[in-house]
Amino acid sequence: EAGVAQSPRYKIIEKRQSVAFWCNPISGHATLYWYQQILGQGPKLLIQFQNNGVVDDSQLPKDRFSAERLKGVDSTLKIQPAKLEDSAVYLCASRLAGGLGGELFFGEGSRLTVL
Amino acid sequence: QQQVKQSPQSLIVQKGGISIINCAYENTAFDYFPWYQQFPGKGPALLIAIRPDVSEKKEGRFTISFNKSAKQFSLHIMDSQPGDSATYFCAATPRGQNFVFGPGTRLSVLP
Repeated sequence: EAGVAQSPRYKIIEKRQSVAFWCNPISGHATLYWYQQILGQGPKLLIQFQNNGVVDDSQLPKDRFSAERLKGVDSTLKIQPAKLEDSAVYLCASRLAGGLGGELFFGEGSRLTVL
Repeated sequence: QQQVKQSPQSLIVQKGGISIINCAYENTAFDYFPWYQQFPGKGPALLIAIRPDVSEKKEGRFTISFNKSAKQFSLHIMDSQPGDSATYFCAATPRGQNFVFGPGTRLSVLP
């Protein structure tokens, strides 16, 4: 079974530029998450989708971050304009369904460096 | 109330020793408590998980101890091996919704 796919693995941009990350979850997984992991910290939820609907985006900095999950499959996370403090690993995770049970599977992440 | 506290921040153990990592939470709505293992350059991977209806769960060398009244849970790694050197995150979730992660413990197992 293929895992969660993310691209690009690494991205270096100047501040105020834009960047987009792509995630393809495990086939059949209805729930998709984007997490931000700053070096030395635990993952912090940015947004959670259930199929193509947003379940929780309360911690997403909406003035610069946006995410979509068209057709309830793959998802894109965009940052525009980027700030220095956005330097982090952006992890995508998927789960079979919301509610009780179900393991959370992570991709390898997209490491963003903002100069 | 959504926070999960984790200690220690880092841990050094000799090969064959026992590694113990502790976590605490406040939100009584949390009902699923997984532990994730993360190697450098990789995403976190589920190691073991427990629900609050049991006090202990063991899988191989890994054991979760859960104290519902104290709102604490811990990971014990028996016979620690150099290959166990990684960062460990405890997490908690209410009804499978937002997974809240602890800050992580960097474990180093010396050969």
